[in-house]
Amino acid sequence: DIQMTQSPSTLSASVGDRVTITCRARQNINSWLAWYQQKPGKAPKLLMYEASTLESGVPSRFSGSGSGTEFTLTISSLQPDDFATYYCQQYNGYFGQGTKLEIK
Amino acid sequence: DVQLVESGGGLVQPGGSLRLSCAASGSTFSNFWMSWVRQAPGKGLEWVANIKEDGSEKYYVDSVRGRFTISRDNAKNSLYLQMNSLRAEDTAVYYCARNVRWGQGTLVTVSS
Repeated sequence: DIQMTQSPSTLSASVGDRVTITCRARQNINSWLAWYQQKPGKAPKLLMYEASTLESGVPSRFSGSGSGTEFTLTISSLQPDDFATYYCQQYNGYFGQGTKLEIK
Repeated sequence: DVQLVESGGGLVQPGGSLRLSCAASGSTFSNFWMSWVRQAPGKGLEWVANIKEDGSEKYYVDSVRGRFTISRDNAKNSLYLQMNSLRAEDTAVYYCARNVRWGQGTLVTVSS
């Protein structure tokens, strides 16, 4: 089983901050990693696929990097709309535990 | 792009069974691994099961192994999840997924 470890579980930040979320796979998954954003009561929204490809319509302040076992999601300048929970997922497999991004 | 439409959710008693279906369109269904994921109320996302393109390999999260069965019919562009011995903790929205593309989800409620 290829399980995913995501950190931190909670992140407090302010509008305008640069934040980074990390996701680690137990085994090499090449670039088969996606990032999702979820707001309360809503379905998850795809942000990034193949580790670093921005989904259409997603703002360019979001970026992804990594391959193999270590991946990061970076938001370059937090906007009010970005406060949500973020998940990584290996394609067709395990999710990370989630990172709740809160307003400081 | 792919479109995925789930059906079959509903209210079932503990110990009961339910079969979820997912109809796929817009791409060659038989070329892709498929999976089911779920989200219980107030909880995180959880991968449930996946199946290889030709159905020859299937994998399950520990909590459903032996109770749930994933299957597919490539001639019908359809994915299935047979859920037996359902428990209250299986209550969730279930999503059909092809890589990063998901359906809209179907709600399964296990309650007496």
